Amino acid sequence: RKEVEQDPGPFNVPEGATVAFNCTYSNSASQSFFWYRQDCRKEPKLLMSVYSSGNEDGRFTAQLNRASQYISLLIRDSKLSDSATYLCVVISNDYKLSFGAGTTVTVRA
Amino acid sequence: NAGVTQTPKFRVLKTGQSMTLLCAQDMNHEYMYWYRQDPGMGLRLIHYSVGEGTTAKGEVPDGYNVSRLKKQNFLLGLESAAPSQTSVYFCASIRDRGYGYTFGSGTRLTVV
Repeated sequence: RKEVEQDPGPFNVPEGATVAFNCTYSNSASQSFFWYRQDCRKEPKLLMSVYSSGNEDGRFTAQLNRASQYISLLIRDSKLSDSATYLCVVISNDYKLSFGAGTTVTVRA
Repeated sequence: NAGVTQTPKFRVLKTGQSMTLLCAQDMNHEYMYWYRQDPGMGLRLIHYSVGEGTTAKGEVPDGYNVSRLKKQNFLLGLESAAPSQTSVYFCASIRDRGYGYTFGSGTRLTVV
């Protein structure tokens, strides 16, 4: 079983729609969680950290459910520029980090 | 500019050749990582380092060696390149666990 699993999508949504997807992790000792965004095989860039209490950054909301071992990302009022692959990242207590394979989101006009 | 710099950006190797990829960071980060990314596979950890002079194996270490002689540099070596090592290689560094990772811009390696 992979340490981090994501629904690959693609999620094809119209502008203005809300899209949400999850990422599950297998290591219950995981310490830190992040969402990254990757465009066109460029380097991944940090989108936001994920905190236990849930957190928002503009149109993006991230949540962590430790009991069920998943994190989620919700994008409200989707923009064309949100089209990308979203990677979830899980860091264990020994500083080893694991990536999901990514969820592809395409926002259409 | 502060950040993570990878060299070279592109390289074509013949099977059996060797090469070294350099990752340099000027942020005084303790932790550095080498990943490869292949279509449909996501990012897979090759080796990582939790400090100067230390290295550890990741998910796919076979065929690669690394060294961290200086805190700011993390080298990835391919002793005898194989076509299966054709990939995009990313280096990343982090100050501590609670902070996001900073990635280099990647090295596109083709082994023919």
